[in-house]
Amino acid sequence: DAGVIQSPRHEVTEMGQEVTLRCKPISGHDYLFWYRQTMMRGLELLIYFNNNVPIDDSGMPEDRFSAKMPNASFSTLKIQPSEPRDSAVYFCASSLESRVHEQFFGPGTRLTVL
Amino acid sequence: RKEVEQDPGPFNVPEGATVAFNCTYSNSASQSFFWYRQDCRKEPKLLMSVYSSGNEDGRFTAQLNRASQYISLLIRDSKLSDSATYLCVVRPSGSARQLTFGSGTQLTVLP
Repeated sequence: DAGVIQSPRHEVTEMGQEVTLRCKPISGHDYLFWYRQTMMRGLELLIYFNNNVPIDDSGMPEDRFSAKMPNASFSTLKIQPSEPRDSAVYFCASSLESRVHEQFFGPGTRLTVL
Repeated sequence: RKEVEQDPGPFNVPEGATVAFNCTYSNSASQSFFWYRQDCRKEPKLLMSVYSSGNEDGRFTAQLNRASQYISLLIRDSKLSDSATYLCVVRPSGSARQLTFGSGTQLTVLP
């Protein structure tokens, strides 16, 4: 079975541009999480969804960030406008309700904002 | 103070050595505890859960001390393939579904 799929794997963009990151969770999983990882701050939870509904977005850094989950098999994280400090690896993860502690992570999107 | 604190390392140990990592958490009401492993430039993966009674999985032993709010991971007979960053993870109490990750401890096992 396929794991969590993320695209693109790498993104290089210029400051001020819009960036859209995509995620396909494991089929049947109830929860979807978006994280950001940097050397300075480690792995930070940005937002998570349960059955496509956003539950907690308190980790979203500011209004430039938005996330959607229009259906059970697709989610996006959008940054508009992007800034150099947004450079990081963005991970998507999914899990089952019955084993919510076992989060399956995608390979991540490495974002560089110039 | 960070919710989950770990010694970042790096720990450089020879093959076959025993190495231990420690982690402290600040929320005394935290409910569940785990260790995740992250290989270089890869995604984190669940390594094992941590129970109050302690638990062992092959060469790996995890222990929890709720009174001291302290979690440990012991790796015996370390292998080259154990080289990775080990993330201490805490799940808050209540109905929370999110996990809080420590910044990780980097381990390199040397031949």
